[in-house]
Amino acid sequence: GAVVSQHPSRVICKSGTSVKIECRSLDFQATTMFWYRQFPKQSLMLMATSNEGSKATYEQGVEKDKFLINHASLTLSTLTVTSAHPEDSSFYICSARAESADTQYFGPGTRLTVL
Amino acid sequence: GESVGLHLPTLSVQEGDNSIINCAYSNSASDYFIWYKQESGKGPQFIIDIRSNMDKRQGQRVTVLLNKTVKHLSLQIAATQPGDSAVYFCAERSWENQGGKLIFGQGTELSVKP
Repeated sequence: GAVVSQHPSRVICKSGTSVKIECRSLDFQATTMFWYRQFPKQSLMLMATSNEGSKATYEQGVEKDKFLINHASLTLSTLTVTSAHPEDSSFYICSARAESADTQYFGPGTRLTVL
Repeated sequence: GESVGLHLPTLSVQEGDNSIINCAYSNSASDYFIWYKQESGKGPQFIIDIRSNMDKRQGQRVTVLLNKTVKHLSLQIAATQPGDSAVYFCAERSWENQGGKLIFGQGTELSVKP
């Protein structure tokens, strides 16, 4: 149980284009999903928290117009990196948590490379 | 801000030995703690968790110890195997945070020598 998937696993795009990453909870309903970014040899940095049907709450320093988050259903959240630039290249990971639960379960991550 | 590691501490152990990975936390209001294992290129994998009303919890080959007095958390892995090689992160959650977000430690890289 508690399986979270992400798609795509890897994406390479040109500078200026937008990229959408999907996060799905496969066997539970995720009332809350989280988006993280991770640089090599570093810890996870929380970007935003999204609750189903509500606007996402962004961490300080994260541009909400740059990183668009949608959590339209209890099993799907999307992160869109708009007008991507090389400095947006990173490992993006989502996690999902069921209502009234403590544990967050993570997806396998998406490696974004912006050329 | 959130924890972002500037460097990654490493722990090297011999296969079959026990491993102890330590984590210090700073928020005395934290009520829930969790350990994750992350292999290269993958997302973090849940290992074990513990609430603040406990001081020890055991799983399969793993034990988490919580010392609230000194704000210290540890993960013990018995009979460490090569497959245990990974980066291990502790995370804490504060009851003050209604969103339930986790604050991650910097991580420890465990290397198991055969």
